[in-house]
Amino acid sequence: QSALTQPASVSGSPGQSITISCTGTSSDVGVFTYVSWYQQHPGKAPKLMIYDVSNRPSGVSNRFSGSKSDNTASLTISGLQAEDEADYYCSSYAGSSTLEVFGGGTKLTVL
Amino acid sequence: EVQLLESGGGLVQPGGSLRLSCAASGFTFSSYAMTWVRQAPGKGLEWVSGISGPGGSTYHADSVKGRFTISRDNSKNTLYLQMNSLRPEDTAVYYCAKEHPWGPHSFDYWGQGTLVTVSS
Repeated sequence: QSALTQPASVSGSPGQSITISCTGTSSDVGVFTYVSWYQQHPGKAPKLMIYDVSNRPSGVSNRFSGSKSDNTASLTISGLQAEDEADYYCSSYAGSSTLEVFGGGTKLTVL
Repeated sequence: EVQLLESGGGLVQPGGSLRLSCAASGFTFSSYAMTWVRQAPGKGLEWVSGISGPGGSTYHADSVKGRFTISRDNSKNTLYLQMNSLRPEDTAVYYCAKEHPWGPHSFDYWGQGTLVTVSS
């Protein structure tokens, strides 16, 4: 099972909005609604930001939102803040054999 | 408070074995699927293995299938990863994580990770 495809890096200024894409296939992102997004700061464990494509766990800012169209999922962060600077990973359920697959990660830089 | 505490990492020679443990507290352990995710130095996240709450269903990535075995002891609130025939490419920080209660296949709590280094 190949990893999901994410851009290596994105950047934005404080207050702006950015979107990170996550492209899979008709065997994972395209067919299941189990897409999640994780934020990881250097040296820290990942933190769940979005689950089931567009749901936010309790405590996650509503500046974070998720969506999906065909084989591509997206994470949008609005009102960028300095603390949003981190690596972001998408993941998707990929069926009962492979189970889960992650994207390669996107480094977000807040200018 | 949910806590996940991994242990068992270290330096091992190629071909060797290690068993990782993940001690869980603060939730009804047997009710949740658990997973292991690893991260090689400077690289991204890679899903490794998953197990259902009761432990009857297990899943492994192709890269570790036949070499790694995930298991759990619900009486001890502990998750395990038995790693055999280790290779240099298995070098990574290994995280255990708990499945989100309303989001199957998403993970809402993670441990701090344990480093496994495979080198001669």
